[in-house]
Amino acid sequence: TQLLEQSPQFLSIQEGENLTVYCNSSSVFSSLQWYRQEPGEGPVLLVTVVTGGEVKKLKRLTFQFGDARKDSSLHITAAQPGDTGLYLCAGGPTHDMRFGAGTRLTVKP
Amino acid sequence: DVKVTQSSRYLVKRTGEKVFLECVQDMDHENMFWYRQDPGLGLRLIYFSYDVKMKEKGDIPEGYSVSREKKERFSLILESASTNQTSMYLCASSSQGWYTGELFFGEGSRLTVL
Repeated sequence: TQLLEQSPQFLSIQEGENLTVYCNSSSVFSSLQWYRQEPGEGPVLLVTVVTGGEVKKLKRLTFQFGDARKDSSLHITAAQPGDTGLYLCAGGPTHDMRFGAGTRLTVKP
Repeated sequence: DVKVTQSSRYLVKRTGEKVFLECVQDMDHENMFWYRQDPGLGLRLIYFSYDVKMKEKGDIPEGYSVSREKKERFSLILESASTNQTSMYLCASSSQGWYTGELFFGEGSRLTVL
């Protein structure tokens, strides 16, 4: 059973468009992480959110942690082909971290 | 640059063969992990280790074993490979610190069992 549900599963957009992907759970997490995995590579950490309601920005990426610490969203402004990849959310203590199935994003030039 | 190195990027094995997947990290991390990644299922934890010679089962340990004889090296062993173990295997490490620790991943080993 997936504790973290990510939506949409697949997303294909044109360069310059905005998008939001979601990570939802029925469980409360002390923190959530977002990773990006490019083809042929391992996941790389983008951000960790730890406080309910927290918003973090990383250039054109905006991450939000829900007030109840059960959900998170990732918003990308003016997507670029370099944003293409699999976006994974993860939560829980390091020794028992749970991953969502991911959103596979394709940004077409 | 921190680095987690997995010994083989691609392997093709036959059913019943013994398979070794090696992982080495150069960050002096205490924790090391083996995950498998399958489409639609995300990453699932097979085993993790928090110290030399220590290991803990994850969610799907059946059919796998691990070895950690040195701090920097964590090996995953498939004693008798089966077709349902065809998957992408990812090794990761992290420093001590349970709740907000970053996982550093290797590039993955794609195993096909025929």
